[in-house]
Amino acid sequence: KQEVTQIPAALSVPEGENLVLNCSFTDSAIYNLQWFRQDPGKGLTSLLLIQSSQREQTSGRLNASLDKSSGRSTLYIAASQPGDSATYLCAVKGNSGAGSYQLTFGKGTKLSVIP
Amino acid sequence: NAGVMQNPRHLVRRRGQEARLRCSPMKGHSHVYWYRQLPEEGLKFMVYLQKENIIDESGMPKERFSAEFPKEGPSILRIQQVVRGDSAAYFCASSPPGQGRSNQPQHFGDGTRLSIL
Repeated sequence: KQEVTQIPAALSVPEGENLVLNCSFTDSAIYNLQWFRQDPGKGLTSLLLIQSSQREQTSGRLNASLDKSSGRSTLYIAASQPGDSATYLCAVKGNSGAGSYQLTFGKGTKLSVIP
Repeated sequence: NAGVMQNPRHLVRRRGQEARLRCSPMKGHSHVYWYRQLPEEGLKFMVYLQKENIIDESGMPKERFSAEFPKEGPSILRIQQVVRGDSAAYFCASSPPGQGRSNQPQHFGDGTRLSIL
């Protein structure tokens, strides 16, 4: 059974700092990995999707890496801003059986960027 | 708005009542997924549907919960005889059909917050 862990659970940084969020998963048989952002009381906004054959994806100040063999992904946020404050979720999609349809989520990292 | 639409945004029910949550997928999407987010927990998969078919319901509680995605109209998640433990945020996601669908990203709605009194 796939399990996804995100460390740290919460993070507070001053504005302008670069930061890294970590995600690990127990089963390396995945199709892809997605990073989402969730604001309080809101839905999920997809930030980056990395296919299993890829090593990284970039969008603006965000860079996500994937090391499938070790079951790890990182989300790098450059020059953080107060508007980046949110909960960041990591989710993997398996490539076998029922797991190929569903996303397995971590509990998230709650990020606070202090002005 | 071309995104995944869920309604209502907030739903309050008393214990024993029924809750019906609706989800309209993005235009052109024929695959719908329901997830539940309990307080202080991550999102958990509940069910995956295509038009008129339940493909995977491995995450659905065995009793009181059901889901459908009719040929016409939105997908419905139905919870009968609700209990306090059903209080959660319920999210719907959709993805397009076609080859390699397992690599297609899922697009999420804003969720329905269900509160049981």
